Order: sequence, then structure tokens, then C-alpha cells
Amino acid sequence: NAGVTQTPKFQVLKTGQSMTLQCAQDMNHNSMYWYRQDPGMGLRLIYYSASEGTTDKGEVPNGYNVSRLNKREFSLRLESAAPSQTSVYFCASRPGQFTDTQYFGPGTRLTVL
Amino acid sequence: AQSVTQPDIHITVSEGASLELRCNYSYGATPYLFWYVQSPGQGLQLLLKYFSGDTLVQGIKGFEAEFKRSQSSFNLRKPSVHWSDAAEYFCAVQTRGANNLFFGTGTRLTVIP
Repeated sequence: NAGVTQTPKFQVLKTGQSMTLQCAQDMNHNSMYWYRQDPGMGLRLIYYSASEGTTDKGEVPNGYNVSRLNKREFSLRLESAAPSQTSVYFCASRPGQFTDTQYFGPGTRLTVL
Repeated sequence: AQSVTQPDIHITVSEGASLELRCNYSYGATPYLFWYVQSPGQGLQLLLKYFSGDTLVQGIKGFEAEFKRSQSSFNLRKPSVHWSDAAEYFCAVQTRGANNLFFGTGTRLTVIP
């Protein structure tokens, strides 16, 4: 049982390049989330998926797209990376009820030059 | 506007001393309340959570938190800090019936021998 896994762990992009961050969970959770963490700003929600087949915007969705590929996987895509997207990205999952705990992955550190 | 405030950016305590980390929220109704801990280079781990009932909540690693409705606060405490408690601590809230968490900006804890 690996919990929530994220790939890659580190990535450096040039402005304008695209990439996809991968997230997978093996806990049979219904809900999945993408956050970004910036110094002095805590974590901010980018997108979430309450269940397979649905996605919704969070606080800071601009410049990102997501895909809930199946119940296990939730990917985050940057179509044209910008330096403002330099951040640490965390994926999380939750069983599904509002009172359930969110479980976090180890994060992906992304630098856009 | 809804907000979560952690007024202390950085706290330094001696090993063995007591600890209190502050969290205040501004929401229309009492939200669900959480404390997470993030060790360097790691994802977030849930310490404890409050939904209703007893206002003193016990968590993992010897931490506890007290919900005070009159002060809109959910402060985290530990009677005796260990060097391994050095980390960043995040308070988070979730509106009842909503799907996502809102995080405070975090408090970095340094423990000196």
C-alpha cells in the first residue's frame, strides 16, 4: 500500500514548455486534489475531483488543466509553463465523505526558467 | 471573506519546553478544523481534526488542540517538545458540506537543544 504517489519528484522547464504531473492513489479513494505550495502562502487548491468523471476548479486554476483518468489517477497539465508556476505541487486524496481525512503525496518541485 | 490566520511565521522553542501554535479563522459558521505537519521535503501529515463535540482534541505525536468558538480559534499545543517536532505546521479549515480545504500560511517550528 503506497498511499499517494507523485511523479516526477523534480522538474525544470523552460517558459512555454508543457508537462504533465502524475498522481496515483491505491486506497480506493473517491476524491482527489491538486494543490500548489508557495513560500509564505500555504497550500492553495488548483483543481479537485470529487469522484471519477468529475473535476472542479479551486482557488488558482488559471494555466492548468486536469484529467481524472480513472479512480486511481489524477493528472495536472501545464500547457505553456510560466515562471509564476514555479512551485511545489501536492496531490491528495480522500475516501469521499466530507469528514474524511485528506492524504497527501510527497510533492513535485517544479522550476520554470 | 473567509480566512485562516496563523499569526506566527516562525517560532523557536527549547527541547522540553511547552508549545502553542495559534490559528484563527473567519467563517460564517463553525467549519471543520485540522492541523497538519510537514517535515522538510515531505508531504503533509494530519495531526488532528475537529468536527464537533468535545472541544479538546487529541492527536498523534502527543499533540492536542482546543476549539474555542468565542475566539474563533483552534490552537495547537504540546506539553513537551522533542527535537523531532521541528517542522512546518499548517492549520486548515473546511466549510461544512464543502469538498476542499483552505490552509493557513503555516508556522515554522525550530527546536533548540
